[in-house]
Amino acid sequence: EDQVTQSPEALRLQEGESSSLNCSYTVSGLRGLFWYRQDPGKGPEFLFTLYSAGEEKEKERLKATLTKKESFLHITAPKPEDSATYLCAVQATSGSRLTFGEGTQLTVNP
Amino acid sequence: DAGVIQSPRHEVTEMGQEVTLRCKPISGHDYLFWYRQTMMRGLELLIYFNNNVPIDDSGMPEDRFSAKMPNASFSTLKIQPSEPRDSAVYFCASSERRTAYGYTFGSGTRLTVV
Repeated sequence: EDQVTQSPEALRLQEGESSSLNCSYTVSGLRGLFWYRQDPGKGPEFLFTLYSAGEEKEKERLKATLTKKESFLHITAPKPEDSATYLCAVQATSGSRLTFGEGTQLTVNP
Repeated sequence: DAGVIQSPRHEVTEMGQEVTLRCKPISGHDYLFWYRQTMMRGLELLIYFNNNVPIDDSGMPEDRFSAKMPNASFSTLKIQPSEPRDSAVYFCASSERRTAYGYTFGSGTRLTVV
């Protein structure tokens, strides 16, 4: 069974204080690892897809990296508008479903 | 495109009543997914369709839940009879070419069963 574990559950940062979110996974053959952002009262919003170990993707202050066992979402010099819940999900080669982690709730204080 | 459209946004119903949630996927997307989100269990896949055909319904909690996709632009998730433990946010998502570009989620329906 595919499993995704995210840590920490919650993270509070000061504006400009860089940090990383972790996503550990087990999957029987990885087709893709996905990062989403979810704001309160809204559906998850797609950020990145990573397909193989060593791959990196960047978008503004966010950079996602992938190893064979985990992925990191690095947030550089965050701003209050980066506050949200960040979700990680995996898709196995055997199917189309995404298995999500519980998410990391990020709060960036001004 | 208006994105994935779900209705209603909020639903409050009494235990035992039938509830129908609706979803309009993005035009051209051939996959449609129904997810449920709770604090305890996070996002759980209930069922998904490919080209209007149900592919995997192993996440549907029990026979009280049913989903249909009569055409490429509409899907429903029905709960009959509803129970308090069904209270959650239900999301619909759609994608094309499996999940190469990630799912696009709707804004969700917050269901409260009292």
